[in-house]
Amino acid sequence: NAGVTQTPKFQVLKTGQSMTLQCAQDMNHEYMSWYRQDPGMGLRLIHYSVGAGITDQGEVPNGYNVSRSTTEDFPLRLLSAAPSQTSVYFCATADGPNYGYTFGSGTRLTVV
Amino acid sequence: ELKVEQNPLFLSMQEGKNYTIYCNYSTTSDRLYWYRQDPGKSLESLFVLLSNGAVKQEGRLMASLDTKARLSTLHITAAVHDLSATYFCAVTPSGTYKYIFGTGTRLKVLA
Repeated sequence: NAGVTQTPKFQVLKTGQSMTLQCAQDMNHEYMSWYRQDPGMGLRLIHYSVGAGITDQGEVPNGYNVSRSTTEDFPLRLLSAAPSQTSVYFCATADGPNYGYTFGSGTRLTVV
Repeated sequence: ELKVEQNPLFLSMQEGKNYTIYCNYSTTSDRLYWYRQDPGKSLESLFVLLSNGAVKQEGRLMASLDTKARLSTLHITAAVHDLSATYFCAVTPSGTYKYIFGTGTRLKVLA
């Protein structure tokens, strides 16, 4: 039982490049979310999903796309990386709104 | 726009002392969550509060929820160094499935 697996753990991108951050879970949780955490700040919601085929925007969705074709996977795509997207990205899952999130270990992304 | 505010933002306290962290939110919600984050690590779920008046306790930490006041508290009893971390509250606004996080409270417990 791996829980929530995020890959890669570290990534350096050049401005304008695109990439996909992967998030996979083996807990059969319906809820999945992506957050970014900037130094000294809280977590800001990028996109979230309440089940396969259902996604919605969070607080800071611009520059990011998501899809949820399966319960297990919730990839986050950066369309054209910008230095302002330098951050730590966390994927989190929950077994519905009456439960707290289980977080992945995070992806540290630097855009130069 | 939902705002979730915590205070204090930073807290330095002596071992053995008691203190309370406050989480205020600006919209109706009947679900509130508390998390802990150690430096350089991911977040760990501490408490889930699902109704007005809910109280949960684990060790030296006790969380409560007052939905009418839109306020949750995280009370620390007889702090120990191992409680040093950043604590976040999160709220799910009524009628949505978004978990919105507060600003965080960085707690440092001094020996």
